[in-house]
Amino acid sequence: GAVVSQHPSRVICKSGTSVKIECRSLDFQATTMFWYRQFPKQSLMLMATSNEGSKATYEQGVEKDKFLINHASLTLSTLTVTSAHPEDSSFYICSARSTPETQYFGPGTRLLVL
Amino acid sequence: KQEVTQIPAALSVPEGENLVLNCSFTDSAIYNLQWFRQDPGKGLTSLLLIQSSQREQTSGRLNASLDKSSGRSTLYIAASQPGDSATYLCAVMEYGNKLVFGAGTILRVKS
Repeated sequence: GAVVSQHPSRVICKSGTSVKIECRSLDFQATTMFWYRQFPKQSLMLMATSNEGSKATYEQGVEKDKFLINHASLTLSTLTVTSAHPEDSSFYICSARSTPETQYFGPGTRLLVL
Repeated sequence: KQEVTQIPAALSVPEGENLVLNCSFTDSAIYNLQWFRQDPGKGLTSLLLIQSSQREQTSGRLNASLDKSSGRSTLYIAASQPGDSATYLCAVMEYGNKLVFGAGTILRVKS
């Protein structure tokens, strides 16, 4: 199957700093990528839909100025958590859509804000 | 608003047992339903995808059924193995291609 990578896999940062997470589709082009957030023992919650060459669409309750998304190419989307705080600590997972019905998921990024 | 519920939240079985995981959803206007596996601290692996027009899909020891009208799906795992231990997530794809996930069933298969 198709491969989606995320970098970094794990990041620890100080409160107030910004963190950038990359999501890459390695062997296919993805005009649409999705960003999810997962708290411990909870399910994935869609944060935003990232479209190549246009602005991301954010789900209700997700602050677009807090979670900046850039989908600059057909194989790369980035999520930047700005001025991170401890409550932003979570597991962030991206997915890339290869066909209208199929999304391939990245391995996730564990963010810990101290 | 679509809501996906999975029962049970956790399940522990001895090796070799057959088991059933349940998933229900509130809005039957779905494009498809998928079952995923998630290992601790890892991403998701797609197991089975059932189109809204289909009733079931099979892959090896896994069989998933879909009753769209009643808003239910089941994942049947035959002859469970310790390597099957993971969290199993059910997700429905709504028109507009958004996936809505259930909270998952944590499965532990004891050797």
